[in-house]
Amino acid sequence: DGGITQSPKYLFRKEGQNVTLSCEQNLNHDAMYWYRQDPGQGLRLIYYSQIVNDFQKGDIAEGYSVSREKKESFPLTVTSAQKNPTAFYLCASSILWGQGYEQYFGPGTRLTVT
Amino acid sequence: DAKTTQPPSMDCAEGRAANLPCNHSTISGNEYVYWYRQIHSQGPQYIIHGLKNNETNEMASLIITEDRKSSTLILPHATLRDTAVYYCIVIATGSARQLTFGSGTQLTVLP
Repeated sequence: DGGITQSPKYLFRKEGQNVTLSCEQNLNHDAMYWYRQDPGQGLRLIYYSQIVNDFQKGDIAEGYSVSREKKESFPLTVTSAQKNPTAFYLCASSILWGQGYEQYFGPGTRLTVT
Repeated sequence: DAKTTQPPSMDCAEGRAANLPCNHSTISGNEYVYWYRQIHSQGPQYIIHGLKNNETNEMASLIITEDRKSSTLILPHATLRDTAVYYCIVIATGSARQLTFGSGTQLTVLP
């Protein structure tokens, strides 16, 4: 089955450590996105990538980094510079040019930093 | 992108139709209406989208008023698994930017 996978589902880290969240898709989508969701709130865009080897900052990119070396993979690193890293992180992908703009989401990774 | 307004919560009896309204009075001509839902602690799920004609798929129907200032998402036979937060958003097609979710409508399907 085609889809987006994120791992792990739950992640715990100590303050000051960098952590990398995995996102893989086998939908052959060009665009991929990382969002952050805090309790009771909507989505905020961290980074997005339209094609391989290209990515752009979203609204809250500070303290995060990404890479897009393969079409299928878009890992997100939460660095120690991110002041409030505890959140629910969602990865999504979409076909940029086609019949619509549907984004397909992974199951999310809930990161807790103490 | 145009702003949307949705009621914060709604209940629906299992097996009945759930009708979720959305106001988007400032929508412009090139903006589509999209609906997503998010079940607690899961990633959002795309449901349906439309421009000005009514649309139907295997999940739901979307009714857009003639002036496009409001729309209604219809789940024809709601089940307990349809309990989720439903988000209505408007966005210009081809825009490679983020989805901006408002607070949505918490739909609770009651047994």
